Amino acid sequence: DQQVKQNSPSLSVQEGRISILNCDYTNSMFDYFLWYKKYPAEGPTFLISISSIKDKNEDGRFTVFLNKSAKHLSLHIVPSQPGDSAVYFCAASYMEYGNKLVFGAGTILRVKS
Amino acid sequence: DSGVTQTPKHLITATGQRVTLRCSPRSGDLSVYWYQQSLDQGLQFLIQYYNGEERAKGNILERFSAQQFPDLHSELNLSSLELGDSALYFCASSGPTGRRGEKLFFGSGTQLSVL
Repeated sequence: DQQVKQNSPSLSVQEGRISILNCDYTNSMFDYFLWYKKYPAEGPTFLISISSIKDKNEDGRFTVFLNKSAKHLSLHIVPSQPGDSAVYFCAASYMEYGNKLVFGAGTILRVKS
Repeated sequence: DSGVTQTPKHLITATGQRVTLRCSPRSGDLSVYWYQQSLDQGLQFLIQYYNGEERAKGNILERFSAQQFPDLHSELNLSSLELGDSALYFCASSGPTGRRGEKLFFGSGTQLSVL
């Protein structure tokens, strides 16, 4: 039972354009969401997070949007750079879960120069 | 470099065997987490330890066990291995509380291949 779904296995974007990565969740108890980035042969690294009391969080070129009614979040990268090419994982948690995270399967982003 | 060290990086073994994966957390972190990533799937939470004690458990098989030692390093033991256990096993650490919201720092993983 996949509680966090990333339905696009891959995405290809031209350098300088916007990359939009999507994530859907089914568990309405989730109230904290994160995005992790992973390069080959490395572990995931934290990118950005958002609490359910917000609908947007920005950090430089990265913005996460949360639509609670649709149980959907998205990560926007503007402008996209070749160094952003990586696997992006969406993750979620809720209070009773403690610090455990439920991850999606990931989306491979390729930024072409 | 996340500061989390996992060894070995690669492990190839046969069905029915037993292996031990090792993780050293970042300096100062008290909590260690183990995750399993099978092909084309997300990371699945296995277990969390905090300062030597089990804090949380996920869908960890009975054939799998883990512990955290006094020096805070952790080991994940996988026994009676099956083909389906082939996966990338990640260790992460956080500290000082191991509680919700504390950022996880991941190691580069151990790739286990069961033949």
